[in-house]
Amino acid sequence: GENVEQHPSTLSVQEGDSAVIKCTYSDSASNYFPWYKQELGKRPQLIIDIRSNVGEKKDQRIAVTLNKTAKHFSLHITETQPEDSAVYFCAASTGGGNKLTFGTGTQLKVEL
Amino acid sequence: SAVISQKPSRDICQRGTSLTIQCQVDSQVTMMFWYRQQPGQSLTLIATANQGSEATYESGFVIDKFPISRPNLTFSTLTVSNMSPEDSSIYLCSVEFRLDTEAFFGQGTRLTVV
Repeated sequence: GENVEQHPSTLSVQEGDSAVIKCTYSDSASNYFPWYKQELGKRPQLIIDIRSNVGEKKDQRIAVTLNKTAKHFSLHITETQPEDSAVYFCAASTGGGNKLTFGTGTQLKVEL
Repeated sequence: SAVISQKPSRDICQRGTSLTIQCQVDSQVTMMFWYRQQPGQSLTLIATANQGSEATYESGFVIDKFPISRPNLTFSTLTVSNMSPEDSSIYLCSVEFRLDTEAFFGQGTRLTVV
């Protein structure tokens, strides 16, 4: 089955800096890659997703890039703010109903 | 936007007992899933809840331990049976409103087994 690795497990940045979280996947049939943000005690919330027919997608301060050949995808957050502090999870799916395999999570801390 | 409600939001249960968790959506969905999130860990898929038929379980999860029902397109239940402290986790339902679109999560059920 699919295996998703995520790095780093913790990331601390200064407010205004950029943050990058990287994931690799094992199943070349995976074609859908969402990113979720989970604040303490809350449900995971989708922040951005990308499908395998696209190499990059951007939504304001958040962007995701996908390299199908290398089987890795990354989340980029620019101009980080304290409210970006949370756990971020990447995931992968082969579609046909999004049965998601999640990465291990990254605890992002944005310091003032 | 649609509302996904899970009940209960939390519970403390005695070992050996069972707990049924409900997931109710206010509009029809194509897919419903159940995930487990152990303390400080990632999310692991337990099963896909199939409407009108038996759920499809992932490796490591069995129907006797985690029976699931989905009688219609807006409701599902997950039962955690014969609980042990190792079952202490957050259980989350997830739905997909149209096939191959984004997945949304319920607020989760925080289960503590003592």
